[in-house]
Amino acid sequence: DAGVIQSPRHEVTEMGQEVTLRCKPISGHNSLFWYRQTMMRGLELLIYFNNNVPIDDSGMPEDRFSAKMPNASFSTLKIQPSEPRDSAVYFCASSLKAEETQYFGPGTRLLVL
Amino acid sequence: GNSVTQMEGPVTLSEEAFLTINCTYTATGYPSLFWYVQYPGEGLQLLLKATKADDKGSNKGFEATYRKETTSFHLEKGSVQVSDSAVYFCALIDTGANSKLTFGKGITLSVRP
Repeated sequence: DAGVIQSPRHEVTEMGQEVTLRCKPISGHNSLFWYRQTMMRGLELLIYFNNNVPIDDSGMPEDRFSAKMPNASFSTLKIQPSEPRDSAVYFCASSLKAEETQYFGPGTRLLVL
Repeated sequence: GNSVTQMEGPVTLSEEAFLTINCTYTATGYPSLFWYVQYPGEGLQLLLKATKADDKGSNKGFEATYRKETTSFHLEKGSVQVSDSAVYFCALIDTGANSKLTFGKGITLSVRP
């Protein structure tokens, strides 16, 4: 299995631009998670899905952030408009069930200038 | 609520030294416990896990025992290598209604040749 796939691996953009991060979970996994990692705040759970349905989005910073999972093999995290404080590494993870072991993708390193 | 507390870092050791990284937790239910490792520039990888009291997780020479009486899950390795240099995260998933993975802050380990 290829594991969790994320794209792009690196993204540099200017403040105000829209950013879309993509994730393909491991085939057969029913739960998908989006995390953000910064030096200041560590790892933060942004949102997670069970069977393509958002279950908990309490970690989403504000309305500029949105996430979708249109099918079992694809999810997006969108930031519109982006701000410099959004600069971070964004990880996607998946698991068979929400309470089981999560497998992480390699992350997307986002820099907003 | 659930929480994970890791010892303060960073930790610097010489090759072949003994490693202990402390982790204690607070949970409302009966959590599963995890150690994840993040190598430079990469995503998080599951290192080992334990799902019930007195279980010992082990992988790549690392071990951790689920101690319910002390609510701890300390990570140990008898002889570290330079290639073990990474950030180590302790985490838990509770078995209650909240299935989110709760992470500790992580600790950076540097191993000198």
